[in-house]
Formats: sequence, C-alpha cells, structure tokens
Amino acid sequence: DAKTTQPPSMDCAEGRAANLPCNHSTISGNEYVYWYRQIHSQGPQYIIHGLKNNETNEMASLIITEDRKSSTLILPHATLRDTAVYYCIVRVESGGSNYKLTFGKGTLLTVNP
Amino acid sequence: GAGVSQSPSNKVTEKGKDVELRCDPISGHTALYWYRQSLGQGLEFLIYFQGNSAPDKSGLPSDRFSAERTGGSVSTLTIQRTQQEDSAVYLCASSLAVGAGKTQYFGPGTRLLVL
Repeated sequence: DAKTTQPPSMDCAEGRAANLPCNHSTISGNEYVYWYRQIHSQGPQYIIHGLKNNETNEMASLIITEDRKSSTLILPHATLRDTAVYYCIVRVESGGSNYKLTFGKGTLLTVNP
Repeated sequence: GAGVSQSPSNKVTEKGKDVELRCDPISGHTALYWYRQSLGQGLEFLIYFQGNSAPDKSGLPSDRFSAERTGGSVSTLTIQRTQQEDSAVYLCASSLAVGAGKTQYFGPGTRLLVL
C-alpha cells in the first residue's frame, strides 16, 4: 500500500472548518483513500473514503486532487469532540493482504474553545 | 443500528492466567478482524475471519493466542498463560466482506492489563 504523509499536529478553533492534509504521492490507480480518527481511549472511527471523486457524508468532506497525489479531509464546523488523532491511509482495491489496516502516526487535531 | 461491541471493556489479570475477549460484529457483516494496539503504537493485525473460517492467522504473536468464530457472528479471542507483554488494547472490527471497498468498523476495544 502507498505511504501517506500527514502533519503531526494541527489546531482549530471551535466552530471553524478543520482542513487536514494528506500526501500520498505514490498512490496507485486502484488504491482508495480512507480516513479514520481515534479519540483518546476509544476505538478507531471510520470517517470517509474515496477513490477519485470528492466525497461528502454527515461527518466530513474528502477532497482528492485531480492527480490523486494528495487529499484534504474537511470537518466543516469543528467541535471540541472532534479532538482526536486523524489517520489517512490508502488501501489497494483487492488482492494481497489488503484487509490489514495499518495506521501511520496521523495528525493530532486539537479543537480549542 | 448497533455497532461492533466488545466485552469486557477492561480486564486486569495476573500473569499466567487465561483470558477470553469477546466481539459481537455488526449484524450481516461476514468479515471480522482482530487487532491490538499497544500504548502509543499503531494497529497490529492479529487475525481475520471470513464467515467461520480464518484464512489468515499470521498475525497471532504466539501459540498462546487463538480465536474462533461460531455461527458467522460472535468471535472469541483467547490468550492462554498471559504475559505482561500481552497488555494492550484489543480491537475488533467487522465489514460486509473482505476488500478495500469494504469499510472496517471498529468496536470500542478491550483494555487488557497483565500484572
């Protein structure tokens, strides 16, 4: 699976949009971009995923660049409960051991009042 | 609907004792995964089930670890003769099927402390 690079930490004011970047310059055409987060002492929580097109759900929006080498997770109105470590991962569509999730160091997002 | 549930949420045991950790996946999910996460570390894959069979047990750290799944639903991870290095958060996840397009949803985890 392609490697991802994320900033180690970010701060965001409550109520503002949080924009979390991820670089995945070696991504292959059949690899999805996934985002999970992990709030302290809880299990990882799925947020969103995409292949080529931008995606939006009730939690967030995922913007993938046209060349797919980077993406941005957007939390439109961050709350204190969004403080967590956010993980960007890429997963091959099928074959090999694609079922094994591995998280990098992620970005610690701190939402401040 | 209900998410993945795990029990117990916390377990403290003495070195050498056996422990059983339970995972109840999302209804209808045929794939089930066990991971563990040590303090400040990333995810470590242990085993996955497709239905009741476990095609990949390669992540189990030693023969003290075993897992089973019955009826295509609930799974139990058993650790025999626990050691202090087994202390970690044990996470269970499930998905509709196996594959990158099949999102894995995690439970809250079982925090195991071996004294």
